[in-house]
Amino acid sequence: EAQVTQNPRYLITVTGKKLTVTCSQNMNHEYMSWYRQDPGLGLRQIYYSMNVEVTDKGDVPEGYKVSRKEKRNFPLILESPSPNQTSLYFCASSQGQGGQPQHFGDGTRLSIL
Amino acid sequence: GQSLEQPSEVTAVEGAIVQINCTYQTSGFYGLSWYQQHDGGAPTFLSYNALDGLEETGRFSSFLSRSDSYGYLLLQELQMKDSASYFCAVSLIYGQNFVFGPGTRLSVLP
Repeated sequence: EAQVTQNPRYLITVTGKKLTVTCSQNMNHEYMSWYRQDPGLGLRQIYYSMNVEVTDKGDVPEGYKVSRKEKRNFPLILESPSPNQTSLYFCASSQGQGGQPQHFGDGTRLSIL
Repeated sequence: GQSLEQPSEVTAVEGAIVQINCTYQTSGFYGLSWYQQHDGGAPTFLSYNALDGLEETGRFSSFLSRSDSYGYLLLQELQMKDSASYFCAVSLIYGQNFVFGPGTRLSVLP
């Protein structure tokens, strides 16, 4: 089954404790992205990747890091999480750029206390 | 900066037709996409327009006017299962850089 898998689905943690949210896709897609979703703001792109070792900033990259060492994986790293990073996070992948459909994972709800 | 505007809420009855508008002001433009998201779920792709005109996919159609920086999603023969949030999204000239609108919550009444 074609899917984008995120882990964990839920996480409650404390300020300053490094965390990683993993994302893996099994569709051999070149493009992957991370978004955060907050009420009334829609989805905001954090980082995106166009291929292995190629990443670029989206609209809200501050406080986040990513890496793309393998085509299927695109982890999101919060080195020193803060309460304003409490949000719902989605990973997405697509075969091509522009209008190609993005396939989203089920989301990760992070609470930073 | 980049901004997209959509109505925050729309209500319609089963069987009706509803149009959700999206206007955008962005530094680049590659195309306009539409996504549906049910409560507690992930966004799912509905349609995409890169050129002016109407794209039809079953009960859903999407329209784009690049000169007006405007697009809309048209949902026909509304069903209860269409109750969801709908987001327009602009892909900027760099391809995978997306900006999403704030979303429109559609409620379909019996």
